[in-house]
Amino acid sequence: DAKTTQPNSMESNEEEPVHLPCNHSTISGTDYIHWYRQLPSQGPEYVIHGLTSNVNNRMASLAIAEDRKSSTLILHRATLRDAAVYYCILRRDSNYQLIWGAGTKLIIKP
Amino acid sequence: DAGVTQSPTHLIKTRGQQVTLRCSPKSGHDTVSWYQQALGQGPQFIFQYYEEEERQRGNFPDRFSGHQFPNYSSELNVNALLLGDSALYLCASSLALAALLYEQYFGPGTRLTVT
Repeated sequence: DAKTTQPNSMESNEEEPVHLPCNHSTISGTDYIHWYRQLPSQGPEYVIHGLTSNVNNRMASLAIAEDRKSSTLILHRATLRDAAVYYCILRRDSNYQLIWGAGTKLIIKP
Repeated sequence: DAGVTQSPTHLIKTRGQQVTLRCSPKSGHDTVSWYQQALGQGPQFIFQYYEEEERQRGNFPDRFSGHQFPNYSSELNVNALLLGDSALYLCASSLALAALLYEQYFGPGTRLTVT
């Protein structure tokens, strides 16, 4: 089964960009890459998703490697409210299930 | 818009007992998915309901069952509770067509502790 690998934790300074990496070397051609984040004591929150091309929305950008074996979530200007666990997830096209990893705990330093 | 709501917030049960968790989807959503999240882990997909039927199921035993009502709300039932069932149970709602491609909206979860 395809899965994702992320660093356990990362630290960043407030108001600086953050690059959160994710490896998914066993991704299949039709698997979508989704990112969710989970703030303390809350349910996960959708951030962004993509298939092959880089994607931008109001929250973040998603950069997908050409071979699709890795991707990077980019927060352009981190704030204290961005401190959360960020999950890189594959959505299987065969059964549409989301396969979650353990996530990266992002710590923002003021 | 109240978003996705779940009840109860916390629950303590004894091994062997049965539990029912409830979820009300975000207004306008017709699809409900349930996830189990163990401490320090990512959520694990249990099953998804649409049109009052179970459409997808993850790798969970038959002790886990569910139901969706005509108003799209849903219940998760767990029988013969084990200590390992202690976890945060998350409900997520979405629109059927969008469920497979776009975002799911999650509730705050129900924290189940089995003693």
